[in-house]
Amino acid sequence: AQSVTQPDIHITVSEGASLELRCNYSYGATPYLFWYVQSPGQGLQLLLKYFSGDTLVQGIKGFEAEFKRSQSSFNLRKPSVHWSDAAEYFCAVVPRGGSTLGRLYFGRGTQLTVWP
Amino acid sequence: ETGVTQSPTHLIKTRGQQVTLRCSSQSGHNTVSWYQQALGQGPQFIFQYYREEENGRGNFPPRFSGLQFPNYSSELNVNALELDDSALYLCASSLERGSSGANVLTFGAGSRLTVL
Repeated sequence: AQSVTQPDIHITVSEGASLELRCNYSYGATPYLFWYVQSPGQGLQLLLKYFSGDTLVQGIKGFEAEFKRSQSSFNLRKPSVHWSDAAEYFCAVVPRGGSTLGRLYFGRGTQLTVWP
Repeated sequence: ETGVTQSPTHLIKTRGQQVTLRCSSQSGHNTVSWYQQALGQGPQFIFQYYREEENGRGNFPPRFSGLQFPNYSSELNVNALELDDSALYLCASSLERGSSGANVLTFGAGSRLTVL
């Protein structure tokens, strides 16, 4: 079955520590890949996206993500976390193919807590 | 450039009632999508509107319906509310099919619906 998996429901890191949030997908063809962040009371903000090309993608707020075809993964990373990064992070895909254009399929999210 | 705005931000209804949620899309965007985000879950695609017509629907019953207006704003209507309809409803806008931005969605902050 087609799916987006975020295996970590909750992650806690100390401020200044590095961060990696995992995302795996199960689709026949590599979908378009996205990471969104949601702060309390806020909508979803796009951090970065991967459509093709360079497998290391730079996003906003110092985040980056690496696409690994062999592992069907698109993990989000940040070298040094700030307290303001505490939020919920969602991995999402748009399957390739005209009928699903513009339709995002989300993982269940990873809640990030940052300790001072 | 204005973003996506949604109203109301919060509302409480009782079972069996009907609700209408509203969304103004980002300037220049003509495609609107609606998502339901239950507590602790990732958003789920409800449907998408393009040129005032429904352009795809997720796994939601017909009591979920929508409209898109000539100015690209949109409404989500839910009839015969059930307790499980309690969720955050997110509206997202994007550029039209065929454009490079068709898969890049801009989200509003959402309307939180509580059904008692």
